[in-house]
Amino acid sequence: AQKVTQAQTEISVVEKEDVTLDCVYETRDTTYYLFWYKQPPSGELVFLIRRNSFDEQNEISGRYSWNFQKSTSSFNFTITASQVVDSAVYFCALSEDNYGQNFVFGPGTRLSVLP
Amino acid sequence: ETGVTQTPRHLVMGMTNKKSLKCEQHLGHNAMYWYKQSAKKPLELMFVYSLEERVENNSVPSRFSPECPNSSHLFLHLHTLQPEDSALYLCASSQDTLAGGPITDTQYFGPGTRLTVL
Repeated sequence: AQKVTQAQTEISVVEKEDVTLDCVYETRDTTYYLFWYKQPPSGELVFLIRRNSFDEQNEISGRYSWNFQKSTSSFNFTITASQVVDSAVYFCALSEDNYGQNFVFGPGTRLSVLP
Repeated sequence: ETGVTQTPRHLVMGMTNKKSLKCEQHLGHNAMYWYKQSAKKPLELMFVYSLEERVENNSVPSRFSPECPNSSHLFLHLHTLQPEDSALYLCASSQDTLAGGPITDTQYFGPGTRLTVL
């Protein structure tokens, strides 16, 4: 069965430090989608990125970057020069098709960025 | 109103009650979703609607009944719930380009309804 593991339960960093959030997934499908979401203290989920299994190119969006490696079944998320506003719970998720079939979330990583 | 709105924001109900959660999106999207976030389990995708048709039901008990009367509105009808159904219920919408499926596009979330079942 598919599974998403986020081994880091909580991370604390000081502002301006770089931080990487790990995500390891398991699936038997060759076609699948990976996601990252952010949930700030306000509680509203924010969609960050979707990546399909055929696209292993790393992606950068401002201070955010994602490293997708099929060889290690990982889809890690790095925040460069972290800011207090980055404090949130971050979820990694996997879907085995583009309609949400077998859509599973990881348990989340709570990131605290201290001033 | 902008974005995705959900009402009510908080709901307390007994196990024998029938209630409904409402979600409305003002983004012109054609796909909508229900998610459940409980304290003891990971986030779950419950239902996916695209063009008002249900396209995914991830093994959700029948005491949860979704309804999508049009592309802007999504309801979750609740009946004979259990205390373990207490959770934050999140609605989201996206634009299904019909080339890739609804889950392939950016989702926008509402603030959620905090449900407590007594």
